[in-house]
Amino acid sequence: GQNIDQPTEMTATEGAIVQINCTYQTSGFNGLFWYQQHAAEAPTFLSYNVLDGLEEKGRFSSFLSRSKGYSYLLLKELQMKDSASYLCASMDSNYQLIWGAGTKLIIKP
Amino acid sequence: IAGITQAPTSQILAAGRRMTLRCTQDMRHNAMYWYRQDLGLGLRLIHYSNTAGTTGKGEVPDGYSVSRANTDDFPLTLASAVPSQTSVYFCASSDSGLEHNTGELFFGEGSRLTVL
Repeated sequence: GQNIDQPTEMTATEGAIVQINCTYQTSGFNGLFWYQQHAAEAPTFLSYNVLDGLEEKGRFSSFLSRSKGYSYLLLKELQMKDSASYLCASMDSNYQLIWGAGTKLIIKP
Repeated sequence: IAGITQAPTSQILAAGRRMTLRCTQDMRHNAMYWYRQDLGLGLRLIHYSNTAGTTGKGEVPDGYSVSRANTDDFPLTLASAVPSQTSVYFCASSDSGLEHNTGELFFGEGSRLTVL
């Protein structure tokens, strides 16, 4: 079956660094996506990885290892506004997105 | 630019009633999607449309129907609502079908539906 695993909740301190992990098992693979979703709002696109390695975009970076079925989202210099849920999604061989349940990130001052 | 607009934002509905959730986009995107989001579960695809005039079934299509008469509108209908359809529904669009782009979806603000 297809499955995406990510931690349910994480807590970090303002100004610190946090890494949110995601493991995936999908039928085929056409890319790994991260979205941010603030409470009661729509998800918004953060990153897309299809090749192994690290993609950096400002304070946010996303890493992919296809051989391990593993990705992480790295958030640096955390700000209070980064408190949100972070959704990991894998695109399978049919180009359908399989979504994880999301990781709720709580930032403390 | 509005992006994607969903209506209603919230609705309480009696079981057995018919309900249509509206979705309109002004980005001229070819592909549109309906997802439901439930606590503890990932977003699940209900139906999708890669282009006007075509629709397809997603992961959880039972009890739902869609139509795509034009590029901008993609309504989702619950013919006879049941309590298990209580959820937050998100409409989304992308410039083309996911096989042609990087998977960036643009989401509406969601419609919270409660079926009693």
